[in-house]
Amino acid sequence: DIQMTQSPSTLSASVGDRVTITCRASQSVSTWLAWYQQKPGKAPKLLIYKASSLETGVPSRFSGSGSGTEFTLTISSLQPDDFATYYCQHYNSYSFGQGTKLEIK
Amino acid sequence: QVQLQESGPGLVKPSETLSLTCTVSGGSISSYYWSWIRQPAGKGLEWIGHINNRGSTNYNASLKSRVTMSVDTSKSQFSLSLRSVTAADTAVYYCARDRLGLNYNYGMDVWGQGTTVTVSS
Repeated sequence: DIQMTQSPSTLSASVGDRVTITCRASQSVSTWLAWYQQKPGKAPKLLIYKASSLETGVPSRFSGSGSGTEFTLTISSLQPDDFATYYCQHYNSYSFGQGTKLEIK
Repeated sequence: QVQLQESGPGLVKPSETLSLTCTVSGGSISSYYWSWIRQPAGKGLEWIGHINNRGSTNYNASLKSRVTMSVDTSKSQFSLSLRSVTAADTAVYYCARDRLGLNYNYGMDVWGQGTTVTVSS
């Protein structure tokens, strides 16, 4: 099975910061990768699909990039609503990364 | 807009079968796959499997021996059965719409609110 590893596990940042979360696959997944945001007690929300396609309605400060085994989710200017946990997921075996918790510094 | 709602018992005894249903409203159950995902308290997400309107399924290899999914297009519902449950199956269970096609996958864009299932005697 393809394993997805996210880093960091926890990220402390301030409103207005630019942040990047990395997701690495144990073998190539091409661009078959999605990113989700989850807030406590809520269902995940799709942000990015096919590695870099922004889901409809998601603010443009979110962007995704990468292919093969290394991917990044970037938030260009953190807003208060962005503090949450983020997961990557690849589509072959549908496995998720372990999550990155974005905290207020 | 499309909405999903999970339903089923919140408490299941060990060794018994967990059964959940997801009802699709505001849209068609056709042309998509429909996934189940679970999340133990304080932990990450685990995809369980998915099914389309024709009953074609794919399951997580680690759960495959215990999982069965079915679909009832007349009721716009799809269901999950997980056999021989243990405390390790205690989790929030989500259903989601999966935009999977022959040559594309656009992610899971609509999710239910989730339902908590506890395995305990």
